[in-house]
Amino acid sequence: DTEVTQTPKHLVMGMTNKKSLKCEQHMGHRAMYWYKQKAKKPPELMFVYSYEKLSINESVPSRFSPECPNSSLLNLHLHALQPEDSALYLCASTTGWRGNYGYTFGSGTRLTVV
Amino acid sequence: KNQVEQSPQSLIILEGKNCTLQCNYTVSPFSNLRWYKQDTGRGPVSLTIMTFSENTKSNGRYTATLDADTKQSSLHITASQLSDSASYICVVSRMAGNEKLTFGTGTRLTIIP
Repeated sequence: DTEVTQTPKHLVMGMTNKKSLKCEQHMGHRAMYWYKQKAKKPPELMFVYSYEKLSINESVPSRFSPECPNSSLLNLHLHALQPEDSALYLCASTTGWRGNYGYTFGSGTRLTVV
Repeated sequence: KNQVEQSPQSLIILEGKNCTLQCNYTVSPFSNLRWYKQDTGRGPVSLTIMTFSENTKSNGRYTATLDADTKQSSLHITASQLSDSASYICVVSRMAGNEKLTFGTGTRLTIIP
């Protein structure tokens, strides 16, 4: 298995809702990432998990809460989002975060906040 | 400042023609350079990855070149197909304690029949 699987593919949520994005990989990668991508812009790094521990939080608002229950799974919990949070959310994984060539992206979750 | 610039911003070519996309970077210290293809609303898919010592790498109809001295890379697409319509993103990796990626803004390629 050489894929990063993200679910759901599309999500529409209200500003008072709580929802979660899920990311899964079975490549044995030990670093996992969340990126946010607005239309026609490059992806922006949000969080990095290394060996199931949060290593980097790029000053992301607390309405985004990441969780790494095990080495194969990464969640992003969403609460009280704003319309400007609407974007494509990408998950990625690598063999480690101190240099490697195995950077694999998932197909993304298209999030719309209404 | 670590930057990756791509040109052109957008390109329209006829099916079957060849094209070349450009990437210039100022990222330091350089680790590797990757080209990704991204369809609208989908995640990026890796096409090639090159380290400092590699100056060309092919993946089917895609051929990437790297000149680490001038900090330039190109992606050449041969015999374009309608399915090649996508954004092509140049991503340069640097080592600064951990690996950090700097993304270009991409070239939007449209293939017309």
